[in-house]
Amino acid sequence: AQSVTQLDSQVPVFEEAPVELRCNYSSSVSVYLFWYVQYPNQGLQLLLKYLSGSTLVKGINGFEAEFNKSQTSFHLRKPSVHISDTAEYFCAVNGGSNYKLTFGKGTLLTVNP
Amino acid sequence: NAGVTQTPKFQVLKTGQSMTLQCAQDMNHNSMYWYRQDPGMGLRLIYYSASEGTTDKGEVPNGYNVSRLNKREFSLRLESAAPSQTSVYFCASSDDGGLYGYTFGSGTRLTVV
Repeated sequence: AQSVTQLDSQVPVFEEAPVELRCNYSSSVSVYLFWYVQYPNQGLQLLLKYLSGSTLVKGINGFEAEFNKSQTSFHLRKPSVHISDTAEYFCAVNGGSNYKLTFGKGTLLTVNP
Repeated sequence: NAGVTQTPKFQVLKTGQSMTLQCAQDMNHNSMYWYRQDPGMGLRLIYYSASEGTTDKGEVPNGYNVSRLNKREFSLRLESAAPSQTSVYFCASSDDGGLYGYTFGSGTRLTVV
């Protein structure tokens, strides 16, 4: 079985500040990890993914995430956020063989001026 | 380049009514999925279809049925709607069993009164 825990349900930050959204996972097999972003009243858009190789993954809109196998974490970071980054962010894990992504409960990032 | 198209975008049903949510993808993906999104719950898998001709239950299948009509289309049916099925429903598709991520539709917001 696989599961995802997003440690913060809401993260408020000021514009141009750095942000980290935390994600921990559990899985009995090798994993593929994803971050999705959902802007208000829209579907989910893939932000970045870790499949193998370098543990630092860069995605769209200046976001990056680091895969840490020993800590079973995949935290999302951005050095300087913008108002337009206000959205809900979902971490997801795929255990490889079951055709199913398991999602965390989401973190609402609110960027204030 | 439409991707994943869901219809309708909004729907209000009375308790006990039935309806079918439609989903079509134009990316020649093998696998398709139905998720529901509820506040604070993240996305939960209802049903999925690993390939044309197969369907399987996900995490929350009760009260729903699905049909994989062909490779492009995957519909979700509510036979007798209940207020607990008020939610936002997302269809997604993927290739390679979702190992590289999903493409999501823009969602159907369903209210059951």
